[in-house]
Amino acid sequence: DTGVSQDPRHKITKRGQNVTFRCDPISEHNRLYWYRQTLGQGPEFLTYFQNEAQLEKSRLLSDRFSAERPKGSFSTLEIQRTEQGDSAMYLCASSLTSGNTGELFFGEGSRLTVL
Amino acid sequence: AQSVTQLDSHVSVSEGTPVLLRCNYSSSYSPSLFWYVQHPNKGLQLLLKYTSAATLVKGINGFEAEFKKSETSFHLTKPSAHMSDAAEYFCVVSFNQGGKLIFGQGTELSVKP
Repeated sequence: DTGVSQDPRHKITKRGQNVTFRCDPISEHNRLYWYRQTLGQGPEFLTYFQNEAQLEKSRLLSDRFSAERPKGSFSTLEIQRTEQGDSAMYLCASSLTSGNTGELFFGEGSRLTVL
Repeated sequence: AQSVTQLDSHVSVSEGTPVLLRCNYSSSYSPSLFWYVQHPNKGLQLLLKYTSAATLVKGINGFEAEFKKSETSFHLTKPSAHMSDAAEYFCVVSFNQGGKLIFGQGTELSVKP
């Protein structure tokens, strides 16, 4: 499969614990995006990278959230000291820059449940 | 501020009847507009996109949408609904090429036999 893959697909954790999600984009895509989706809502933008550079972060991304893309390939999203309000689906997407008209290719998401 | 509004949170149609999912956007610039579909337990998939070429855009699975600048709308239509069209549909806007997408809140489409 050459699509965007995310791991784990589902994570259940206790409040206060740290969690990390991984995203592997389509191999030739240099842009990588993280979104969060809660029940009944559209995805909300969190952050995006071009290669290894983090170009934009939403104000939704509190200081408990950190994202990295160290070698410009896969990315990780870490949430420290999780809260119940962090329960959501975390979506990763990738795209090309050149000739890109805004189409993103999404993974199936990582669902986080904080107890 | 750039935003997109989907006017219906839920639409229900009978199989074989037309589908209309409504979307309005607000922007000071010329946007790129998209419709994405999300089936249960599946990733978001692009249905169609408008990027300042033809105002009537055809997408996959018989869907199409018309960009109307005067009405700031980008409604999604299909002449005849199929059971497999039941899903969540998102109207999406982008204001710079390759940049972030802003999603509407979604419209859940139900198709009755």
